[in-house]
Amino acid sequence: DQQVKQNSPSLSVQEGRISILNCDYTNSMFDYFLWYKKYPAEGPTFLISISSIKDKNEDGRFTVFLNKSAKHLSLHIVPSQPGDSAVYFCAASATPGTYKYIFGTGTRLKVLA
Amino acid sequence: SQTIHQWPATLVQPVGSPLSLECTVEGTSNPNLYWYRQAAGRGLQLLFYSVGIGQISSEVPQNLSASRPQDRQFILSSKKLLLSDSGFYLCAWTRTTGQYFGPGTRLTVT
Repeated sequence: DQQVKQNSPSLSVQEGRISILNCDYTNSMFDYFLWYKKYPAEGPTFLISISSIKDKNEDGRFTVFLNKSAKHLSLHIVPSQPGDSAVYFCAASATPGTYKYIFGTGTRLKVLA
Repeated sequence: SQTIHQWPATLVQPVGSPLSLECTVEGTSNPNLYWYRQAAGRGLQLLFYSVGIGQISSEVPQNLSASRPQDRQFILSSKKLLLSDSGFYLCAWTRTTGQYFGPGTRLTVT
């Protein structure tokens, strides 16, 4: 049972435009959400996070939106750059203190120059 | 600054052979440590986590085991590898801002 789902395995966006990556979850106990970026043959790198008490968190070109009623979060990248091309994972946690994250299957973003 | 090391970077092993992957963390003490696996076409699956020396929690039943002999060392092992053990293995540690991953080990079981 996949508790964190990323239904789009891939996404292509033109450089300079907005990239929107989506993530849905099923467990209403999740209270902390993160996005990671992963390049081939490397470990994921932390990008941005959001607590369930917020509905938006912004860091430079990256913004994460959380819609708790819909159990949906999204990552917006504006403007998209070729260096953003990577696999993006969303992750969620329902166990504060242990940092046991449940990861989605990832979305491969390709930013076209 | 904190650094996390994993080795080897790649490994090809025959079915039935043993496995030992090592992870070490520098620049911090008493970290929470984690082993994840990314199999082809799947997300990151949490395998084990440890909150201290000798303390291991297993998240899924499997052919693997983990040990934490020292504060900043986390080892993933198997006595006999299966084909299904192939994947990209990642060690991670946490701090309040999130989880930070090592470079990973690509394991191919043939």
